[in-house]
Amino acid sequence: DGGITQSPKYLFRKEGQNVTLSCEQNLNHDAMYWYRQDPGQGLRLIYYSQIVNDFQKGDIAEGYSVSREKKESFPLTVTSAQKNPTAFYLCASSGTGVYSNQPQHFGDGTRLSIL
Amino acid sequence: DQQVKQNSPSLSVQEGRISILNCDYTNSMFDYFLWYKKYPAEGPTFLISISSIKDKNEDGRFTVFLNKSAKHLSLHIVPSQPGDSAVYFCAAYPYSGGYQKVTFGTGTKLQVIP
Repeated sequence: DGGITQSPKYLFRKEGQNVTLSCEQNLNHDAMYWYRQDPGQGLRLIYYSQIVNDFQKGDIAEGYSVSREKKESFPLTVTSAQKNPTAFYLCASSGTGVYSNQPQHFGDGTRLSIL
Repeated sequence: DQQVKQNSPSLSVQEGRISILNCDYTNSMFDYFLWYKKYPAEGPTFLISISSIKDKNEDGRFTVFLNKSAKHLSLHIVPSQPGDSAVYFCAAYPYSGGYQKVTFGTGTKLQVIP
């Protein structure tokens, strides 16, 4: 069964600590995305990647970093520079080219909280 | 600048009746419009979409209407069922052939009362 797997489901960060959220997909999608959801708000784009070894900043990239070394994987690191990291983080993927009009698929999210 | 707006944070409907969720947008470059359904602590799941060249798309109990002149999108659920209780996000993006620059609304929480 194809899909997107995010782990862990819950994560706690101490002050000054970097944490990494995992996202793996087996949908053979070229494009992958990280979104942040805060209460009462829509999803906001943090980073996206259209192809392996390439990624671009989204609307709220400050305090975050990503890598795309494999097509299937797009981990997100929340650095200590992100002063308000408490949120629900969602990873998504989509096709490109002739498949770019197909909807994005989402993982089940990681909830990050500050200790 | 909020390019996709869902002005109703919540909606309550009796089971069996019609649910109408509304969405307004400002960007005339959007080519595709989508509705996602989200349960708490889960990721959004795709529900239905419509391209800008159409004004209606149906899938079972779900119908999406697009009024381009008014820049307005609506989702009709008929008949509404208790399992439809969730947060519904309206979303839109311009076609690029590459990544999808999707803009999401803030969501409408639908409660279907048995």
